[in-house]
Amino acid sequence: GNSVTQMEGPVTLSEEAFLTINCTYTATGYPSLFWYVQYPGEGLQLLLKATKADDKGSNKGFEATYRKETTSFHLEKGSVQVSDSAVYFCALTRTGYSTLTFGKGTMLLVSP
Amino acid sequence: EADIYQTPRYLVIGTGKKITLECSQTMGHDKMYWYQQDPGMELHLIHYSYGVNSTEKGDLSSESTVSRIRTEHFPLTLESARPSHTSQYLCASSNSRGDEKLFFGSGTQLSVL
Repeated sequence: GNSVTQMEGPVTLSEEAFLTINCTYTATGYPSLFWYVQYPGEGLQLLLKATKADDKGSNKGFEATYRKETTSFHLEKGSVQVSDSAVYFCALTRTGYSTLTFGKGTMLLVSP
Repeated sequence: EADIYQTPRYLVIGTGKKITLECSQTMGHDKMYWYQQDPGMELHLIHYSYGVNSTEKGDLSSESTVSRIRTEHFPLTLESARPSHTSQYLCASSNSRGDEKLFFGSGTQLSVL
């Protein structure tokens, strides 16, 4: 079956630090990969996605590359801000299917 | 951007009560979902629907039920709430174009005493 494994949090960083949140997956076929973000008190919103191997998704300074050889989709940002503090979810779905499989989420805390 | 609404935002009720969590979207999406989010943040799909009169159970067994009589409305009902139902419930929707992007509501935080 499909599964997503994320690094456990919380990840605590100072403002302007480099961020990496690791995500690896197990899936049959060729899944699409996503990062969703949940700000405090809100629902999730799509941050970025990649639909095939070697694709790079990017948005708001965040980026992640679909690595089929290592079954990974690590999230990175060069310089985090306090406003990036949130919970980040890695997710996958098989092409043509709508139900997402989510990782357990990683909380990011950025201090000034 | 998201036009998907959940009410109530917070609900505190006693054991044994019947409750309905409301979810509506104005985007004309065919597909709608209910996720349960536990205190550790993990998300579990409990129900989904691909259109009117279509409902399916998700990955996590739930004592709740859903209905989809109108495209825009996907309510979730608990006939007899228990403390084990205390959780955050998130509703989501997506279109049928295959881009697989989910739009989420802000959630209902349910506490059963």
